[in-house]
Amino acid sequence: NAGVMQNPRHLVRRRGQEARLRCSPMKGHSHVYWYRQLPEEGLKFMVYLQKENIIDESGMPKERFSAEFPKEGPSILRIQQVVRGDSAAYFCASSPLGGGEDEQYFGPGTRLTVT
Amino acid sequence: AQSVTQLGSHVSVSEGALVLLRCNYSSSVPPYLFWYVQYPNQGLQLLLKYTSAATLVKGINGFEAEFKKSETSFHLTKPSAHMSDAAEYFCAVSEGHAGNMLTFGGGTRLMVKP
Repeated sequence: NAGVMQNPRHLVRRRGQEARLRCSPMKGHSHVYWYRQLPEEGLKFMVYLQKENIIDESGMPKERFSAEFPKEGPSILRIQQVVRGDSAAYFCASSPLGGGEDEQYFGPGTRLTVT
Repeated sequence: AQSVTQLGSHVSVSEGALVLLRCNYSSSVPPYLFWYVQYPNQGLQLLLKYTSAATLVKGINGFEAEFKKSETSFHLTKPSAHMSDAAEYFCAVSEGHAGNMLTFGGGTRLMVKP
């Protein structure tokens, strides 16, 4: 059973460009979480999605950030008009049931560098 | 609201010595607690989790943690450190309702000296 897949692993964007980060959950998992890890900090929750639905986006910045998890295909985290402060590692996690005690399985992350 | 505090952003131990990484949490409801390990440039791997079945939880790689409600703590220990334990460790809390996200502490970087 393949783990959570994220691509690209490294992404470099110039200020003002768009960044698209992809996450394929583990087989059989329909719950996806996105977290951001700024340098020298812990992970901060951004958004929780189930297939075709955003369940909780309380951690998402109000502007420029969006997320989706379509019926078919990976979950996408999209950052428009990137700024240097968006440079971080973005982790996706998936779980089978979505319950609070449910283990979340993490992908290897996408490291975004904005120049 | 839930929160997690990890005391000590850096901990250094000698190989073979006891490892103790501290975690205190706050939660308005009985929590679920997790310890994750992150090796450089990798994702997080679950070490162990507390879900109210037993207060002493054993995890992978010889780690264990004890849930102490009176102290709101969930400290991670390992009797004898190995060089391969050098990594960053994160404590996280979930308040348990469906779909709840994890709230992470700031992390503790463990260094193991030969």
